[in-house]
Amino acid sequence: KAGVTQTPRYLIKTRGQQVTLSCSPISGHRSVSWYQQTPGQGLQFLFEYFSETQRNKGNFPGRFSGRQFSNSRSEMNVSTLELGDSALYLCASSVSADTQYFGPGTRLTVL
Amino acid sequence: TQLLEQSPQFLSIQEGENLTVYCNSSSVFSSLQWYRQEPGEGPVLLVTVVTGGEVKKLKRLTFQFGDARKDSSLHITAAQPGDTGLYLCAGKESGSGAGSYQLTFGKGTKLSVIP
Repeated sequence: KAGVTQTPRYLIKTRGQQVTLSCSPISGHRSVSWYQQTPGQGLQFLFEYFSETQRNKGNFPGRFSGRQFSNSRSEMNVSTLELGDSALYLCASSVSADTQYFGPGTRLTVL
Repeated sequence: TQLLEQSPQFLSIQEGENLTVYCNSSSVFSSLQWYRQEPGEGPVLLVTVVTGGEVKKLKRLTFQFGDARKDSSLHITAAQPGDTGLYLCAGKESGSGAGSYQLTFGKGTKLSVIP
């Protein structure tokens, strides 16, 4: 079974731009969660989608948004990028809270 | 305030030594997971514990969930260079709702095993 894939793996943007990251979950997994990982804060929950509906949202500003398609693939968007948005963005797919499978992440650098 | 506190933050040991990593909280968790993450990659699930007092073994790794389901430990016996990585604990809070898959993560313990 193929694992979770994330594209692109690396991204460099400048302040004020916007970015879209993509995540393809494991086949059959309907839940996709997004996390931001930084050295200072560790992994922080952004949001979770289940069957195209946002089921849970973390404490991030409205510049961070996401969506899920009917095939369970998910995208997250960050608008008006700030330097502090530089991070590793991780996507996880799951069939339960106890077992989440992470992708390799997208490393975003904001200059 | 970090909901899950991991200690130590950094650990550098010689090959063959034993070590224990701790994950503590004042909150009760319905389940707790341990992950290992290598540079440039996503976390890989090692184990999930769900019952207070539960002990699980994975080769040289032993995981324990506290009786009150507020803390957990990871013990590695005879560490090897391949054990090097960032160890993360993560939990699902009790009462967070059956429909929520949101996990709370500790900041991790960075382990280096020197040959």
